[in-house]
Amino acid sequence: QSVLTQPPSVSAAPGQKVTISCSGSSSNIGNNYVSWYQHLPGTAPKLVIYDTYSRPSGIPDRISASKSDTSATLGITGLQTGDEADYYCGTWDSSLSTYVFGTGTRVSVL
Amino acid sequence: QVQLVESGGGVVQPGRSLRLSCAASGFTFSNYAMHWVRQAPGQGLEWVAFISYDGRDKFYKDSVKGRFTISRDNSKNTFYLQMNSLSAEDTAVYYCARDPRYCDSTTCSYYFDYWGQGNLVTVSS
Repeated sequence: QSVLTQPPSVSAAPGQKVTISCSGSSSNIGNNYVSWYQHLPGTAPKLVIYDTYSRPSGIPDRISASKSDTSATLGITGLQTGDEADYYCGTWDSSLSTYVFGTGTRVSVL
Repeated sequence: QVQLVESGGGVVQPGRSLRLSCAASGFTFSNYAMHWVRQAPGQGLEWVAFISYDGRDKFYKDSVKGRFTISRDNSKNTFYLQMNSLSAEDTAVYYCARDPRYCDSTTCSYYFDYWGQGNLVTVSS
């Protein structure tokens, strides 16, 4: 049972926007940096957001992130078929002294 | 370019042991913390263990504490996951991952910027 909760799935038409929420607590999201990963089955996960808001080199600015109190959100605008994947939030949990991933969200392009 | 190459996976009987290795290249290995992350069949990503750049700090997921040991050999640019007393619940694809981790006055940043290709561990009789 993950300590970070995400919706199981989100979907939208090509060109539209999706947002993925990640709900945690003060011991994780509330006081630590958040990162986000894109994962296609059978491949290595890919970092798309680090330090809560920053994009690695090569990640388009269609992908953005925000945080409020103990929740974080990933947004993808201008949705493309190549965005279809599972997305995971993650952060350090200071109470558990472990890294924790969210439950994961499947993004589908209609 | 940064590369992380895992090895050591396979099929093992319950209660037996296995050691995973992750060979790093393309960067100064001794400057980076490293992690193991796994994904069981049909499940999400699950963090397993962390080791600091110098090997002094180690953290584990509760369910593997006392059974798994993370270690590293900076002279060989390699780190390891020794897995003992394996059970079916440990069946998963195991990924190694690099962490640029840094700390400021209040907290540390943990994230995984490069990942290995994944290595399947199957625990079955």
